[in-house]
Amino acid sequence: EVQLVESGGGLVQPGGSLRLSCAASGFTFSSYSMNWVRQAPGKGLEWVSYISSSSSTIYYADSVKGRFTISRDNAKNSLYLQMNSLRAEDTAVYYCARDQRIFGVVTGFDYWGQGTLVTVSS
Amino acid sequence: SYVLTQPPSVSVAPGQTARITCGGNNIGSKSVHWYQQKPGQAPVLVVYDDSDRPSGIPERFSGSNSGNTATLTISRVEAGDEADYYCQVWDSSSDHRRVFGGGTKLTVL
Repeated sequence: EVQLVESGGGLVQPGGSLRLSCAASGFTFSSYSMNWVRQAPGKGLEWVSYISSSSSTIYYADSVKGRFTISRDNAKNSLYLQMNSLRAEDTAVYYCARDQRIFGVVTGFDYWGQGTLVTVSS
Repeated sequence: SYVLTQPPSVSVAPGQTARITCGGNNIGSKSVHWYQQKPGQAPVLVVYDDSDRPSGIPERFSGSNSGNTATLTISRVEAGDEADYYCQVWDSSSDHRRVFGGGTKLTVL
């Protein structure tokens, strides 16, 4: 069974840092590209970042570029999001999500974690 | 940047058909994916590549995409279908970002 379990969320002051983790199991983690998606309280979904299976390709949303860093450790089946210079508007539930692959083509997020809440407030 | 527009809400009686639209410039040239999210839960993929269903998703869920509008259709709506629905595309022309629509709240009357 595919499982994605996020951790590392919590309360942090504006300007602070936090590192989120996503532990993957039930599939060959090193074969899949991964993403972080967030959802502010009462708001819609917002894609945050993408990392390819080998870490060779990385993309960020404009809203986090230069402040957040996505990474992965395939040996540990883990995905990470280092968040620096946090702002109140970064307050959200952060989900890790796996890219579905159909005949080698990425298409949709087929598995999601349960999310971890990040609250940026003084 | 690419923008996807969804109606904030759609209401339908049980047993009827719900149609949720997702508008975008020439969206018909992109692959559209749809997610269902119930309160307090993570999103679930219900339709991918415009009209394909993941295993375990009822046939009542279907999708179409043409021109400037993609549509998620839910036939024979049940109370358990009440949720927020989001469309999503991969905008390869804009720094490869993934784009979500604003979401539509489906209310079963």
